[in-house]
Amino acid sequence: GQNIDQPTEMTATEGAIVQINCTYQTSGFNGLFWYQQHAGEAPTFLSYNVLDGLEEKGRFSSFLSRSKGYSYLLLKELQMKDSASYLCAVTGTASKLTFGTGTRLQVTL
Amino acid sequence: GAVVSQHPSWVICKSGTSVKIECRSLDFQATTMFWYRQFPKQSLMLMATSNEGSKATYEQGVEKDKFLINHASLTLSTLTVTSAHPEDSSFYICSASQGQTGNTIYFGEGSWLTVV
Repeated sequence: GQNIDQPTEMTATEGAIVQINCTYQTSGFNGLFWYQQHAGEAPTFLSYNVLDGLEEKGRFSSFLSRSKGYSYLLLKELQMKDSASYLCAVTGTASKLTFGTGTRLQVTL
Repeated sequence: GAVVSQHPSWVICKSGTSVKIECRSLDFQATTMFWYRQFPKQSLMLMATSNEGSKATYEQGVEKDKFLINHASLTLSTLTVTSAHPEDSSFYICSASQGQTGNTIYFGEGSWLTVV
């Protein structure tokens, strides 16, 4: 089976750095995704990790440790527009995604 | 631009009626598409895998007779919610993959269904 855990909610200050953790236990692993989703909209792709290590893309970075079943999304220089839900998803076979519970991030002044 | 298109974006229907949602892959063929459902303040839950030319594979707890999936061509999958009830009101979203690597998964825009 699949089990993916994320914190439900987080709050951070504009300009700060926030780390959103994701732990997973899956039968089969073919990569881990992070998506951003604003209320009422489709998820937007942020990152994809299939090998261990850190992937950096602008203000967003994602880390993966396959042996630990652990990933995090790091957001730097937070902006108000970063207030959204962040979804961790794991793909096992083909392109079938299993999503975590999602983390609602609130950025405050 | 969008590589997966979903229609309609929102629909309101009466209890007991059926409603069809379309998911199209643009400029690429998708032998497999996926349908998800998302209730307010919850994450996406996979409902079923739509397989071109064969029966869909449903996740545990999803009624196949209620959520009819047809994948008649390599660019189109449809989800029909039959005998809709207010509790079926949700955000339905599809995805398709353009290639073999995992980072080529694209989502449709999503469809808001409200059953009154």
